[in-house]
Parts: sequence; structure tokens; C-alpha cells
Amino acid sequence: AQKITQTQPGMFVQEKEAVTLDCTYDTSDQSYGLFWYKQPSSGEMIFLIYQGSYDEQNATEGRYSLNFQKARKSANLVISASQLGDSAMYFCAMREGWNTGNQFYFGTGTSLTVIP
Amino acid sequence: GAVVSQHPSRVICKSGTSVKIECRSLDFQATTMFWYRQFPKQSLMLMATSNEGSKATYEQGVEKDKFLINHASLTLSTLTVTSAHPEDSSFYICSASGGGGEKLFFGSGTQLSVL
Repeated sequence: AQKITQTQPGMFVQEKEAVTLDCTYDTSDQSYGLFWYKQPSSGEMIFLIYQGSYDEQNATEGRYSLNFQKARKSANLVISASQLGDSAMYFCAMREGWNTGNQFYFGTGTSLTVIP
Repeated sequence: GAVVSQHPSRVICKSGTSVKIECRSLDFQATTMFWYRQFPKQSLMLMATSNEGSKATYEQGVEKDKFLINHASLTLSTLTVTSAHPEDSSFYICSASGGGGEKLFFGSGTQLSVL
């Protein structure tokens, strides 16, 4: 079974509107971390936001928020007030446990295009 | 925030040559580094996990003699693609874990083109 599932290969959003990128995960661990990364055409992976499995509040970082629904095992990324510079690939990822040596599992990504 | 530096950003080489890619953590000690390969419009594929001072752990299907990984210090890991062939052409990206945080920090990637 896939550890991370992103079901939206491509998304379009009008500039200044909000968009939600879906992510579901599969784990039997109680301790895990969920991450979102942005990859523009330059290729670098930019960390956006993190949610720990024990965090009760949804994580927020500026225009990014993570809609964490533990029972549904979903960790959707919400981008508010989209900007042209938000056009990029977005990857959801998970690490099981807190050991920094544990690998990250990545989804297949969602390509977001912001329309002017 | 923590920075990971990866060099070179782009390399073009002839078939049969070896290419070394460096990955450095600039302001933290990276106990673990990960090497990924990414094909166009696809996700990151983990190649190997590299721990300082020990042999790398390779994922299934990744040839360890083909992709040599050395993690000699807490701030440097290298990936050497030996006797590169056109099918090795890809985007390679390293990442480092450590620095007291939970994030994974990425290098800027290396686009390898083998002619």
C-alpha cells in the first residue's frame, strides 16, 4: 500500500483565490510527522509546513495551512490568496517515528498552476 | 534555517566516465543524509540512506557498485555515479536530517546528462 497518496496530478487556481491540495497517508505508527514541500521548475525542494501526529492544532505558516484530520488520515494543504509564484509541484511527505534517520515517504505530487 | 549545499548543479559527461556529486550541510551536523533520484514530472525515488561513518543502506534495485556513496563526515556526503551511461541521466537530489529539528533539508539538486 502507498504510504502517501496524492490524487490530484494537476490543479488550477485563479490568482488571489484559495486552493486545497489533497493528501492521505497510511501508517500504523502513533508517532509520525507530515510535511509539505514545494518544488518549482528550478528543482529545489522548499519546505512549507509540518504537522506532528500529536499536534492538536492545525499547523499554519503564513499563507499555508495544513488541514489535519487524523481519523481520516488526511493532511491537506491549503494555500490562501494564491500568487503566480505559487505555480509549482507540491509534494506531501511522511516520516514515521522521530528518529532523524528514518526515511521520508513522498507522494506523487500535484502540479499547481495559478492563473492570472 | 539550515542549509544544504549540493554541487554541481548541472553536469554533462561522456558515457563511461564517473561523476561525483557533493552534498554538504552548512550549519548543522547531518547524522543522516538521503540520496534521491527524480525523473521528469515524477516523485522522488529514494536511492540510499547514508549515515556518517558507516556504509550506506541502498534501496532495492539500486546498484551499490554503480552509485557509490561516502559519508565521511557529519557535514559531507558524496554520490559517485561510476561509468555513467545515458540511462543514468536524471535529477539527483540530496537531503539531510539533523540539526535538532524534524525537517528534511534538501540540496538544490544536480541535473546529470550522460551523452
